[in-house]
Amino acid sequence: KQEVTQIPAALSVPEGENLVLNCSFTDSAIYNLQWFRQDPGKGLTSLLLIQSSQREQTSGRLNASLDKSSGRSTLYIAASQPGDSATYLCALNLRMDSSYKLIFGSGTRLLVRP
Amino acid sequence: GAGVSQSPSNKVTEKGKDVELRCDPISGHTALYWYRQSLGQGLEFLIYFQGNSAPDKSGLPSDRFSAERTGGSVSTLTIQRTQQEDSAVYLCASSSWTRPYEQYFGPGTRLTVT
Repeated sequence: KQEVTQIPAALSVPEGENLVLNCSFTDSAIYNLQWFRQDPGKGLTSLLLIQSSQREQTSGRLNASLDKSSGRSTLYIAASQPGDSATYLCALNLRMDSSYKLIFGSGTRLLVRP
Repeated sequence: GAGVSQSPSNKVTEKGKDVELRCDPISGHTALYWYRQSLGQGLEFLIYFQGNSAPDKSGLPSDRFSAERTGGSVSTLTIQRTQQEDSAVYLCASSSWTRPYEQYFGPGTRLTVT
């Protein structure tokens, strides 16, 4: 059974710091991996999607890496801002016959202090 | 264009009552997913619809839960005889035929069973 673990569960940093969020998974047979952001009372916003054949994806101040062999992904946030405060979720996309199923980690709650 | 919409945004119901939650996927999206996010459980898959195919109901926690998708578009998740442990945020997502692995999420319905 695929399990997804995110470390740390919570993180508080001062504005301007660079930070790394970690995601680990037990089964490397994934279709792709996504990082989502969730604001309180809101749905999920997709930040980055890394296909299983890729090593990393970048969008603005965000960079996500994927190492299938070690079962790890990291989300790097450069020059953090208070607006980055949210919960960050890592999700594995598994292909099940004709469907795709997302398996989520429990998330990292990030607080960026002004 | 319009994203995934869900209604109601909040629902408070008494234990034992039935509730219906609605999801309007992005126009043209063929796949529709329901997830549940509860405290201590993270985000878990409930059910998946793809076109006219039989739905994947493998994530439904009990036979009190059911879902249907009419006309290949709008979906309704029904919970019968609600219990306090059903309290959670119910999220709906949809994806297109051309990029079935990329799911777009709605804002969710927060269900509270008193």
